Amino acid sequence: EIVMTQSPATLSVSPGERATLSCRASQSVSSNLAWYQQKPGQAPRLLIYGASTRATGIPARFSGSGSGTEFTLTISSLQSEDFAVYYCQQYNNWPPWAFGGGTKVEIK
Amino acid sequence: EVQLVESGGGLVKPGGSLRLSCAASGFTFSSYSMNWVRQAPGKGLEWVSSISSSSSYIYYADSVKGRFTISRDNAKNSLYLQMNSLRAEDTAVYYCARDHQLSRGAFDIWGQGTMVTVSS
Repeated sequence: EIVMTQSPATLSVSPGERATLSCRASQSVSSNLAWYQQKPGQAPRLLIYGASTRATGIPARFSGSGSGTEFTLTISSLQSEDFAVYYCQQYNNWPPWAFGGGTKVEIK
Repeated sequence: EVQLVESGGGLVKPGGSLRLSCAASGFTFSSYSMNWVRQAPGKGLEWVSSISSSSSYIYYADSVKGRFTISRDNAKNSLYLQMNSLRAEDTAVYYCARDHQLSRGAFDIWGQGTMVTVSS
């Protein structure tokens, strides 16, 4: 069973700054990695799939990179609406489809 | 508009049962694999169960295997989760989610969730 580990647990960033979130898989998941954004009281929203492809309607300031076991989500210039919790998820080896524990991006 | 709407959540005693429903609209439901994902209060996301488009393939998390049953009715554009022998640790918001057509296993559409509380 693949374990997904996200770091840091909390990231404090000022609006307009860059945010870099990390996700590590316990074994290779190739490029079968997704990122989701979740705001309080809302359902998760797919941001990135295939490790680097933005989902429909996702702004270009969100970018994903990596393959194998190491992945990064970068938000180039944080907007007020970007403060949220972000989850990575592998879908290479299943079941189970495994999520990371999340990174909370908060206002510095 | 592509939409998933869950219903059926509520308060149930330990050992009780509940059936969740997810109504799909705005897309060809019968062409997509579907999933249930849950989130305990203040916690992260946990995949629960998946079902293929024709119900040929069904998977469960170990934590619910033998107690939960996923099913679908393509004629009614609906997904279901029958939950039996409920435990306190099953307390969570339950989301239904659609598999991405191009990248199977990524979940591209989510419902708003339905809360299940297991407590005496």
